[in-house]
Amino acid sequence: DSGVTQTPKHLITATGQRVTLRCSPRSGDLSVYWYQQSLDQGLQFLIQYYNGEERAKGNILERFSAQQFPDLHSELNLSSLELGDSALYFCASSVGTSDEQFFGPGTRLTVL
Amino acid sequence: AQKVTQAQTEISVVEKEDVTLDCVYETRDTTYYLFWYKQPPSGELVFLIRRNSFDEQNEISGRYSWNFQKSTSSFNFTITASQVVDSAVYFCALSEAQAGGSYIPTFGRGTSLIVHP
Repeated sequence: DSGVTQTPKHLITATGQRVTLRCSPRSGDLSVYWYQQSLDQGLQFLIQYYNGEERAKGNILERFSAQQFPDLHSELNLSSLELGDSALYFCASSVGTSDEQFFGPGTRLTVL
Repeated sequence: AQKVTQAQTEISVVEKEDVTLDCVYETRDTTYYLFWYKQPPSGELVFLIRRNSFDEQNEISGRYSWNFQKSTSSFNFTITASQVVDSAVYFCALSEAQAGGSYIPTFGRGTSLIVHP
């Protein structure tokens, strides 16, 4: 157990819908990262927050957004969902901005 | 060009064999970090090791060992006396500094290791 929690574990929804994925980092970690893992693209970095502020952005679509709250938990919002958004979404946390990242169990999103 | 290349897509071995997973990276930075992660069939990503670019010392942890060679831009991972529980996908990653100062990893495509009893 990495200490990073993610909910829900599975999510099935329809095209055009909006979902929210939630992540709680390890105690003491200030950085939260979001990744998407698919067979096509592999493990892709989406976005990073550090102590409530956006710090780095990767291949995140405009339909996707995230935020980190004062208690350091983070949410990833995915809207206007398409079939191609079906993937495993991981959250990771680290103490700072260059340390090893510890990953949550992931949320498997299926868009039908 | 890929920043992290794991040329071995799948490796199949019999229990107790030694196996080496290759990782070649590409960067122009002098300060960077290298990682290995394990993803077992259950799906979670498990951190194995982090190495900074200034530390070329090899590391051994039980049956696991890592060989970092800057001259060949490689960070290879060896499992000695493999076990069925080692069956997983193993990812190598390279972290470089981004504009905001964070180090964000780029992951290789992974090597699927299958250990047969």
